[in-house]
Amino acid sequence: QKEVEQNSGPLSVPEGAIASLNCTYSDRGSQSFFWYRQYSGKSPELIMSIYSNGDKEDGRFTAQLNKASQYVSLLIRDSQPSDSATYLCAVIYNFNKFYFGSGTKLNVKP
Amino acid sequence: SAVISQKPSRDICQRGTSLTIQCQVDSQVTMMFWYRQQPGQSLTLIATANQGSEATYESGFVIDKFPISRPNLTFSTLTVSNMSPEDSSIYLCSVRTEGETQYFGPGTRLLVL
Repeated sequence: QKEVEQNSGPLSVPEGAIASLNCTYSDRGSQSFFWYRQYSGKSPELIMSIYSNGDKEDGRFTAQLNKASQYVSLLIRDSQPSDSATYLCAVIYNFNKFYFGSGTKLNVKP
Repeated sequence: SAVISQKPSRDICQRGTSLTIQCQVDSQVTMMFWYRQQPGQSLTLIATANQGSEATYESGFVIDKFPISRPNLTFSTLTVSNMSPEDSSIYLCSVRTEGETQYFGPGTRLLVL
């Protein structure tokens, strides 16, 4: 059973703080990992992808991957109210299917 | 990236009827997928739409209920057949690009009465 686990939240952070979103996955063979953001009533949009252990930074976003511990995280620095959304973690298994976590709802309070 | 459009964007249907959802991509893509997202839930893969062959369905989804067409590399349709209120959901078309990244269409919001 391929599983991608996320805390459903909601995660509440004040504006300007760092939001930390976590995701664990069950299959050690996974090679590709993605974070999507989904605003209410909208479709998911890609934020970042990460393939290697370590950190990958893109603007205010940093993805972190630890394959030994089977977790991937997303840090959002200087959080803004516009970052309030549901964040979906996705993992590719066997170079074919995406498996999505249930998502973590983030609330950034002004 | 890929630009994906879906028709209709939303619909209200009577139980027992069928609805066909169209997905158009602005470039040729090998892999196209159909997902369902029920209120407050994550994405559930319905099937992979294969060009020139039958779609590959996930566990719990069958061709009689969700027939799929993929006549070329830029277009696909998903039909929700013999609808019931349990089929009320958002249906999302998705494509995979050469770089493995997956993009989503805007979705079709379906309400079955």
